[in-house]
Parts: sequence; C-alpha cells; structure tokens
Amino acid sequence: QVQLQESGPGLVKPSGTLSLTCAVSGDSISSHNWWSWVRQSPGKGLEWIGEIYHSGSSDYNPSLQSRVTLSVDNSKNQFSLKLTSVTAADSAVYYCALKLPTTGWNYFDSWGQGILVTVSS
Amino acid sequence: EIVLTQSPATLSLSPGEGATLSCRASQSISTFLAWYQQKPGQAPRLLLYDASKRATGVPARFSGSGAGTDFTLTISSLEPEDFAVYHCQLRSNWPPVLTFGGGTKVESK
Repeated sequence: QVQLQESGPGLVKPSGTLSLTCAVSGDSISSHNWWSWVRQSPGKGLEWIGEIYHSGSSDYNPSLQSRVTLSVDNSKNQFSLKLTSVTAADSAVYYCALKLPTTGWNYFDSWGQGILVTVSS
Repeated sequence: EIVLTQSPATLSLSPGEGATLSCRASQSISTFLAWYQQKPGQAPRLLLYDASKRATGVPARFSGSGAGTDFTLTISSLEPEDFAVYHCQLRSNWPPVLTFGGGTKVESK
C-alpha cells in the first residue's frame, strides 16, 4: 500500500512562492505511476494542479500552468510542487495523490492526508 | 474545457434509505468517470472508476452507471458512515486535464 505525506510551510506571503514536498513510501517513485497534486479551497471543490512521471514528463492545469513547476527526486523518493506569485486565492488544502496503471492512469487511486496552506502577510 | 455538474448540491436522507447522485458532463466522455467520497477533515477516497467499476475494498452497496454525458452514483442503503461529500471526476484527452464536479453532500435527515 503506497503512502503519501505532504510537507512544507503552512503560511506563505502574498507574491511569494508556495513549495511543498510529497514523500512516498511503500513504492518506488520510479514505478509506473503518475504523481499528482490537487488542491481544495475552504468550502469549495477539488482542483487538479498537475502531475509528473518519474522521467520528468508532466502535465499541468492550463489555468495554473504559468505559475506551477513539478519535480521528482528519485534519490529521496519524493516529488515537489512550486507555485509562484501566490495570492489569497491560492489558500487551500493541498493534496498529493497518485494514479496507477491498473485504473488507466485516469483517476486518483491514493491520496496524502493533505496540508493546509494559507497565503497571508 | 469539459465541465462536470453535480446534482443535487445536498441530499438529506436517513440511514437505510437509498441515494441517487447525478453527474453531468458538458461533452461526451465515454465512461472515463470516477466517483470519490470525502469525509470532513479527510482526503477523498476513490469509490468507482470507469463509471461503474468499484475500487478495492468498496462495499457492494455503491454502484455506478452511465456513459456519454450522464452518470449516476447509487448507494443502495445508506449506512451511517456513508454521510459525506461525493465528487465526480473525469480526464479529458485533449487538453489532458483532470476535472472535478462541484460535489454533492449527503447529509443525515
């Protein structure tokens, strides 16, 4: 059973950069999975941010693409999210998740517990 | 961009009753649709994928149907632990975007 754990600052200043890491256990990040980030603003729905394969191939939500960078660290078995030029609208619970080949890489089979990030001065 | 619309926004039911949740896509998506359950303070949990396939460990009282633009999640008889928010999700081929619906809250009457 793959386990995912998000970490990073819970408070980011406006116009700053939000940086989060997702540690993977129970599987190698080099396995045939896609590693994703999803966020959920307070009281609102879920929004896909982007995803990355261990090779570095990635896809991003067009609405966030200009501000998002995903990366993989195979040596540490983790992947990361950077979101630049943040505003209060970026305050949300951020989840890392994985998509498995057994479901066609189309759905989020497993999720981290989530981390609340607030953008405020 | 394909939009998913879930209805109703809230469903008030009693334990033992059946629940029917709807998810409508703005364009045909074949059967590339998933349903998730989310309880307060928890991450979503995959329930159904490819419109009707149950994920590992999901009880048989959860079933899904539909194709094209109209999809349904049915809970045959609500258990106390089923009161939660349910989200649908699709993946579009181009652009390769994953999209969620706005959610349906199933609350205890």
